[in-house]
Amino acid sequence: AQSVTQPDIHITVSEGASLELRCNYSYGATPYLFWYVQSPGQGLQLLLKYFSGDTLVQGIKGFEAEFKRSQSSFNLRKPSVHWSDAAEYFCAVGVGSAGTASKLTFGTGTRLQVTL
Amino acid sequence: KAGVTQTPRYLIKTRGQQVTLSCSPISGHRSVSWYQQTPGQGLQFLFEYFSETQRNKGNFPGRFSGRQFSNSRSEMNVSTLELGDSALYLCASSLSGADTIYFGEGSWLTVV
Repeated sequence: AQSVTQPDIHITVSEGASLELRCNYSYGATPYLFWYVQSPGQGLQLLLKYFSGDTLVQGIKGFEAEFKRSQSSFNLRKPSVHWSDAAEYFCAVGVGSAGTASKLTFGTGTRLQVTL
Repeated sequence: KAGVTQTPRYLIKTRGQQVTLSCSPISGHRSVSWYQQTPGQGLQFLFEYFSETQRNKGNFPGRFSGRQFSNSRSEMNVSTLELGDSALYLCASSLSGADTIYFGEGSWLTVV
């Protein structure tokens, strides 16, 4: 079965500093990979996704992620963090029947705190 | 266009009761899936419906059920509620299930 590991439970960065959130997955084939962000009391907002093709994907709000098959990783990066980026970030792998991605397995999340 | 809409947003139920949650997917989306989010277990997949048929299923007891209507709207039902069912229930939709998945704001269920 597939699994997702986000090794960092909580990260604190200063506003303007760079950010990298780690994500490792376990799956036998090339998975569909997602990063979502959740603000307190809210649903999940999609930041970016990887299905195939270019391993460096661009998302919303200045985020990007790089798929590295050899390391089974899909780390999320942002060159300069803004205070509004403070939230919880979830990495997910999508595997389902008939080649679908609709059965998402999530990591435990990384809570990002931004200091001014 | 409108996003995924879930109703009700907040509800309180008593142990032993049953509850029905509703989800309207993004227009044109035929895949609807449901997730449970709790502090202890995190985000867990419940089930997915596509064209009124359950296509994928998670590891939840039979008390959790769902259905999808011909207009792609979906409902999930939890019978004989337990305290541990208190959670944020999230609905997500996508065109076919093999593409971008969008989430709603969720329904907060508290069981007392």
